[in-house]
Amino acid sequence: GENVEQHPSTLSVQEGDSAVIKCTYSDSASNYFPWYKQELGKRPQLIIDIRSNVGEKKDQRIAVTLNKTAKHFSLHITETQPEDSAVYFCAASRGGGATNKLIFGTGTLLAVQP
Amino acid sequence: GAGVSQSPRYKVAKRGQDVALRCDPISGHVSLFWYQQALGQGPEFLTYFQNEAQLDKSGLPSDRFFAERPEGSVSTLKIQRTQQEDSAVYLCASSISSGSGEQYFGPGTRLTVT
Repeated sequence: GENVEQHPSTLSVQEGDSAVIKCTYSDSASNYFPWYKQELGKRPQLIIDIRSNVGEKKDQRIAVTLNKTAKHFSLHITETQPEDSAVYFCAASRGGGATNKLIFGTGTLLAVQP
Repeated sequence: GAGVSQSPRYKVAKRGQDVALRCDPISGHVSLFWYQQALGQGPEFLTYFQNEAQLDKSGLPSDRFFAERPEGSVSTLKIQRTQQEDSAVYLCASSISSGSGEQYFGPGTRLTVT
C-alpha cells in the first residue's frame, strides 16, 4: 500500500547549523509533498510544500528538494534557531480528486541546542 | 481570518460510551479531512468529504466510526462503543478545493478512553 518513510527519527543540532530530513514515498502517482511542523500539544502547521513539476523550492531558511525518479524528497533548514525545535512530518498526496488524502511519515524530532 | 476549529479539545470517555467530535473548517473550504494521531506517530487518514459528499472512508478503522458533513460545512466524527485503542488525538483539516493540495489543520480533540 501507500507508504512514506522518514529519517532520522531524532536529530540534534547546534544553533546555527543546518538540519536535513529525508523522506521516501511508494505511490508513484503522488504529486504533492508538504512538510508540517508540530510543536508539543499543538496542531500540525504547514511550513512548505512542493509539487512534482518542480525539483526545488525555497522560503527563507527552509528549502525542499524532490527527486521524482528516486521517489525521494528532503527538507533543509539552514541557520537553525531554538524555535525550530519541534517534530517535523513529511507527507505525500495525489493532490486532487477523490484520493487526495495525505500519507504521513513517522516524524522527526528536531532539537536545536542553544 | 479564523482557522479550523475543533471541539471539545479534550474528551474523557468510559469504555463503551459514544462520543461526538466536531470540526468547523475554514469558511468556504470545499474539502474536509479527518485524521487520527496516536502518541508519537504521524497523523493517519480516516475519511474525506468534498462538500457534503463523503468520497473516501477507507481509513475508518471499524464500523464503530461514522462521519458526516450534512450541509457541507461543519463535520462530526462519531465513535460508538468506544474502546481503549480509540484513545488518540483526532485532527480535522480543510482545503479550499479538491485539487489545491494544501490542508490546514485544527488543534485536534484528545480522546482518552478509560
